[in-house]
Amino acid sequence: AQSVTQPDIHITVSEGASLELRCNYSYGATPYLFWYVQSPGQGLQLLLKYFSGDTLVQGIKGFEAEFKRSQSSFNLRKPSVHWSDAAEYFCAVGEAGGGADGLTFGKGTHLIIQP
Amino acid sequence: NAGVMQNPRHLVRRRGQEARLRCSPMKGHSHVYWYRQLPEEGLKFMVYLQKENIIDESGMPKERFSAEFPKEGPSILRIQQVVRGDSAAYFCASSPRSRAYEQYFGPGTRLTVT
Repeated sequence: AQSVTQPDIHITVSEGASLELRCNYSYGATPYLFWYVQSPGQGLQLLLKYFSGDTLVQGIKGFEAEFKRSQSSFNLRKPSVHWSDAAEYFCAVGEAGGGADGLTFGKGTHLIIQP
Repeated sequence: NAGVMQNPRHLVRRRGQEARLRCSPMKGHSHVYWYRQLPEEGLKFMVYLQKENIIDESGMPKERFSAEFPKEGPSILRIQQVVRGDSAAYFCASSPRSRAYEQYFGPGTRLTVT
């Protein structure tokens, strides 16, 4: 069964500093990988996705993520965070080979921005 | 282009009552997924439906929970005889394709069982 691990429950970053959120997955083949962001009381917004091809993917709001097959990782990065980036971030994996239909989510990383 | 719509946004039910959660997918999307989010947890897949068909309900509790996506109208997640443990946020997502393609989420329904 596939699984997703987000090792950091909370991360605090100063505004303007760089950010990296970690995500590790467990899956036998090449997965579909996603990062979603959730603001308090809101639904999830898709930041970016990886299906195949270039392992560095660009998303919305200045985010990017890099797929590293050897490390089973899909870490999310942003060079300079803004106060509005404070939110919950979820990494998710889907089965590219047509297995399970739903996405498997990590437990999330809560991002706090210090002024 | 309207996004995924869910209603109600907040629902309060007493133990033993029924809860009905509705989801209208994005225009052009015929694939609907329901997820449940417990406090401090990520989302857990419940069920995947296409019009008039349940494709995958592997994440759905065996009792009291049911889902449908009729030919006309929204998808419905129904919880009978609710218990306190059903209190959670329920999210619907839609997709233009099947098999874990990118999914677009609605704002969720927050169910509170008193």
